[in-house]
Parts: sequence; structure tokens; C-alpha cells
Amino acid sequence: GEDVEQSLFLSVREGDSSVINCTYTDSSSTYLYWYKQEPGAGLQLLTYIFSNMDMKQDQRLTVLLNKKDKHLSLRIADTQTGDSAIYFCAESNLGTASKLTFGTGTRLQVTL
Amino acid sequence: NAGVTQTPKFQVLKTGQSMTLQCAQDMNHEYMSWYRQDPGMGLRLIHYSVGAGITDQGEVPNGYNVSRSTTEDFPLRLLSAAPSQTSVYFCASSYSPGHYGYTFGSGTRLTVV
Repeated sequence: GEDVEQSLFLSVREGDSSVINCTYTDSSSTYLYWYKQEPGAGLQLLTYIFSNMDMKQDQRLTVLLNKKDKHLSLRIADTQTGDSAIYFCAESNLGTASKLTFGTGTRLQVTL
Repeated sequence: NAGVTQTPKFQVLKTGQSMTLQCAQDMNHEYMSWYRQDPGMGLRLIHYSVGAGITDQGEVPNGYNVSRSTTEDFPLRLLSAAPSQTSVYFCASSYSPGHYGYTFGSGTRLTVV
């Protein structure tokens, strides 16, 4: 079945850029998402990218997609303490868009 | 308030008990799903629905039942609770998952002793 992998932990200083990486195995992945989970809360959709795109920018967030390597990244510019959370990568494909496969999540710690 | 509402927020069950986790959305979304979140394993899909009267199994359906009699509600039933079902359960809904992703509820933390 499909697999989505992420590193477990990332620590950055406030004001620096954060880059969270994700790799996936399903070559037919069509939709790729980044979700944010704050402590004790549900998941919040941050951004998404379609497989026919290489990059998407949304304010401080930049998503890069390398389809050849099946690699997705989320860059957060000027990282703030409020960005401390768990970030999940997720994917689905055209035939099963209603079924998301999630990565294990990356815990981002922002230090002063 | 528009969104996905899950009840209860916390629940402790004894092994063998049954219960229903409630999920309701007021956004007229056709797509609804249940996930469980366990440490180090991300979220795994239990069951999902693409509209009233239509449900299907996800990755980890054993021990759970669902039904979708209305667009708004998608309850998850634990038939005979086991300690392995200790987890945080999330319900999610969407108008069009491919283009808009899912909106998640705040979760139900379930402990089975």
C-alpha cells in the first residue's frame, strides 16, 4: 500500500526558516497536503499542491514538489513560536481522493 | 458555529463495553471520514463515507462500525472495546477532498482499561 514518511522532529530558532520534508511511494499521488496540529486540537489544513505543480507559495509557506523523487517539502519563512506544532504530510490520488494517507508527523519546536 | 463537532471529548471504557462516538457537521459536506491517531503512527483511516447511505472501509476497520443515515451525522460504533482501541479519534468532512482537503473535528480521546 501507499506509504508516507517524515522525520519526527525539527528544532529551529525564531526568525529562521523551517523546512519539513516528506517522501511518498505512490506514483499516482495527485493531491498532496500539509496539515498542522496544535496540542490538544484537531488538524488544520495549511496548504495543498496538485501533482501537475512544482511549487506553491502562500504568504510565509512555500511547498515544493519533486515528482521524480516523490519528495514534498514545506518551508516556513520567519518561523514564529506560534508555528510550534506537529506537521503532517498527506496524499491521495485521483481514484481515491476521499481516502487520505498520512505521514507520521514532524514535531516542529521553535526556540527563542 | 460551522464545523465538525465530535462528542464526547474524553471517554474511559472497560474492556468489552460498547459505545458510539458522535460526529456532526453543518457544512452540507458529502464526504466524511473517521481516523485514529496513535503515537508514532500518524493518522489511519477507519471508515469513510461519500454520501448518505454509502460507507466503506479504510485501513483499520476491524472492531468498528459506521452508518450514514443523514448528510450531517456519521457516528462510529465500537462493538466490544479492547485496550488496542485506546487512541484519539478524529472525524473529518469535506465538500470535495481532492480540491479542498478535509475539515477535522477536535477529536475524542478514548481510553480502554
